[in-house]
Amino acid sequence: KNQVEQSPQSLIILEGKNCTLQCNYTVSPFSNLRWYKQDTGRGPVSLTIMTFSENTKSNGRYTATLDADTKQSSLHITASQLSDSASYICVVSPLSGGYNKLIFGAGTRLAVHP
Amino acid sequence: DAGVTQSPTHLIKTRGQQVTLRCSPKSGHDTVSWYQQALGQGPQFIFQYYEEEERQRGNFPDRFSGHQFPNYSSELNVNALLLGDSALYLCASSLGPPSGGDIETQYFGPGTRLLVL
Repeated sequence: KNQVEQSPQSLIILEGKNCTLQCNYTVSPFSNLRWYKQDTGRGPVSLTIMTFSENTKSNGRYTATLDADTKQSSLHITASQLSDSASYICVVSPLSGGYNKLIFGAGTRLAVHP
Repeated sequence: DAGVTQSPTHLIKTRGQQVTLRCSPKSGHDTVSWYQQALGQGPQFIFQYYEEEERQRGNFPDRFSGHQFPNYSSELNVNALLLGDSALYLCASSLGPPSGGDIETQYFGPGTRLLVL
């Protein structure tokens, strides 16, 4: 069964600290992996998109990595800010494609405290 | 440049009723997808519209139906509401046609929160 599992489920860090969120998937073969940020009560916003041939992608203080061999991805947030408080969702698109095949993780809820 | 807009923002219905949610895509986009997001879960794909036709569908019953208008806006209709239909309903737009690679970025709206009592 295709699955995307994220860890930790929730995380609390102090402002200015770094953190890393994990995503393990069993979807195979896959086309691309995305990380989204979702503020409470808002729609998800795309942070990074990586194809199976890429192993890192940055977007400002956000850096995503991908290890297709171990089927793991991580999202590293540097010098966290209060505005980083949100849910971060990992999404995998199977190679067979189609929006009906997108597999969403349940997300990691990050809280940044002053 | 307007992003994806959805209406209403919140809605309360009772079991058995019917509901219609609306979405206007980002300017220049012609493809609209709908998702259901239960509390504490990731979004689940309901269906996608392109050129006023349903192009792809997730594992949702026929109670969930939709429509796309010539101006690319879309509606999601849910009949015979169940308690389990309570969720945040997200609309996402992209520039079609829908492809196998899904590499294009979807832009999500703020969602409509539906509560079924």
